[in-house]
This record gives sequence, structure tokens and C-alpha cells, in this order.
Amino acid sequence: GQQLNQSPQSMFIQEGEDVSMNCTSSSIFNTWLWYKQDPGEGPVLLIALYKAGELTSNGRLTAQFGITRKDSFLNISASIPSDVGIYFCAGRTGTASKLTFGTGTRLQVTL
Amino acid sequence: GAVVSQHPSWVICKSGTSVKIECRSLDFQATTMFWYRQFPKQSLMLMATSNEGSKATYEQGVEKDKFLINHASLTLSTLTVTSAHPEDSSFYICSGDRKGDYGYTFGSGTRLTVV
Repeated sequence: GQQLNQSPQSMFIQEGEDVSMNCTSSSIFNTWLWYKQDPGEGPVLLIALYKAGELTSNGRLTAQFGITRKDSFLNISASIPSDVGIYFCAGRTGTASKLTFGTGTRLQVTL
Repeated sequence: GAVVSQHPSWVICKSGTSVKIECRSLDFQATTMFWYRQFPKQSLMLMATSNEGSKATYEQGVEKDKFLINHASLTLSTLTVTSAHPEDSSFYICSGDRKGDYGYTFGSGTRLTVV
């Protein structure tokens, strides 16, 4: 099945640093979602974006829906150890339709 | 918030046997349930979409006779892996669509190991 290109594939950062990751697609989506997955768990929704150009924050997390509808980015400010995990973007064409997931960004935070 | 309960969290079975995984939406009605498979260090791959009371729609390459999906009620969907083989060992995750909710709620996943 189709997957979205997500970069970087992995990141090793120090506590307190800011993080940026992005997701690109060859096709248009109407909704972009960002999830975090901890080992052995299901993904948890972080931010949902519904309009092209939309910029949304959730605490230290900020995400934007690209103006072309083919990309999105996620920023994490002042990273902390509990930010460790795998971050996935996901795109959707309409409500109740299936999600297409990105390849994931593995984040490691060192003290 | 919306909660999807998935059981079991892990299961080990012998090759050739069948395993059933349950997903229940605890505080909402899931008109649509999605089933994913995730191999180590890989992303989630959609296996099938099920709507309450109708047959599931399977993604290309997913054997519908091997992965039986039942969505008999708005709060329960099950995935049965029939005649399991070692290559079916994976992490299986369900998610439910609550009407009006734009971010699907995921279960905690089931680690299946076939020996």
C-alpha cells in the first residue's frame, strides 16, 4: 500500500532541543494527522489539521498543513525525555475514510 | 475521551491454529473499524476496513479468507487469523471512527507470535 515519505527517519537530540520533522505525499489529502507511538502500544493522536495552511499547537507541539495539501510538518519545542518514541504522520481524503501513514520518525532524547 | 479496548495484548499460538483479536469501543459507537498490521520498525499497514453490519473491505494483497473480520455491533469488531503461520507474527492494531471525530482512536495493539 501507499506510504507517505517522512523525514528524518530517526533523530538523536539532547534534552531541551527543538525538533522538526516533515511528511510529503504525491497526492492531496484533506486532513493531516500526527500520531506518537510508544513501544508495544497503539498510536496516540497528537494534532489534527483540517485546512490547507492551518497552523495548530498542542502544548510544545506545533504542526502545519501545507498549502499544497501534499505536505505537513511537526515541531516539538524544548524536548524532554518522555518525547521519545516514533512519530507518524497520516493523511486522509475524507471523513470515515482510511488513513495513509508515513514511514515514521524515531526520536531519541538524551539527557 | 474515546477509548478503544483491544484484547489480548499478546498471544502465542501454534502454527495451524486460529487466533481471535477483539476490539471494543468503550465510550462511543464505532461505525467504522480499521485493522492494521505493523512489522518491527515499520509503519502501520492497513489490512481492512469494516463497517457495522456489512462485509469488510480488504486492501490489495490481504487474504480475506485468512484474516476474517466481523463487525457485528457498533462497539465490537473482531479479527480472526485463521491457520496461522510464523509469517503472520506481527503487531495487529485496530482503530475506530467515532462519527464527527476526525482523529481515529487506536487500540493498544496485539502482539501475535506464531511458533
